[in-house]
Amino acid sequence: AQKITQTQPGMFVQEKEAVTLDCTYDTSDQSYGLFWYKQPSSGEMIFLIYQGSYDEQNATEGRYSLNFQKARKSANLVISASQLGDSAMYFCAMREGSMGRRALTFGSGTRLQVQP
Amino acid sequence: GAGVSQSPSNKVTEKGKDVELRCDPISGHTALYWYRQSLGQGLEFLIYFQGNSAPDKSGLPSDRFSAERTGGSVSTLTIQRTQQEDSAVYLCASSPSGGKSGANVLTFGAGSRLTVL
Repeated sequence: AQKITQTQPGMFVQEKEAVTLDCTYDTSDQSYGLFWYKQPSSGEMIFLIYQGSYDEQNATEGRYSLNFQKARKSANLVISASQLGDSAMYFCAMREGSMGRRALTFGSGTRLQVQP
Repeated sequence: GAGVSQSPSNKVTEKGKDVELRCDPISGHTALYWYRQSLGQGLEFLIYFQGNSAPDKSGLPSDRFSAERTGGSVSTLTIQRTQQEDSAVYLCASSPSGGKSGANVLTFGAGSRLTVL
């Protein structure tokens, strides 16, 4: 079974609008962490936001927020006020177990295109 | 160094040749990861080093792939008898570890693009 599922291969959004990128995960661990990374066309991987499984509040980092629904095992990324520079691939990832001693498992990604 | 450094940035090789890819992690980061990204695809986990522990090699696709990490710092990924399907970008990442937080963020290098002709 896929550990991380991103069902939207591509998304379009108008500049200045908000967009939600979906991510569902599968784990039997009680302790885990969820990450979102951005990969522009240049290829670099840029960390955006982190949510721990025990965190009670949804994570936020500037224009990025994570809509964490633990019972549904979803960790959707919300980008508010989209900018042209947000056009990129977005990857959801999970680290299972506590102590941060595992590798991250990545989803297949969503390509976001912001239109002027 | 300030970031994760990978070399070479580009490598073109002939089928059947061996290649070595190098990764120099952020100073002080005890965890080091190798991932592979084929064109337009997600990241495929290859191998993970954590301090002095035995590496997690569960993602290596075949015995042609191996990696070592000397002195807890620099790592080399070796691909023997390369095949065309090995063509991909090989990404290295490092992170701090320890403590009780799972939020040890991976910092990635720029990658090594391997093309096998």
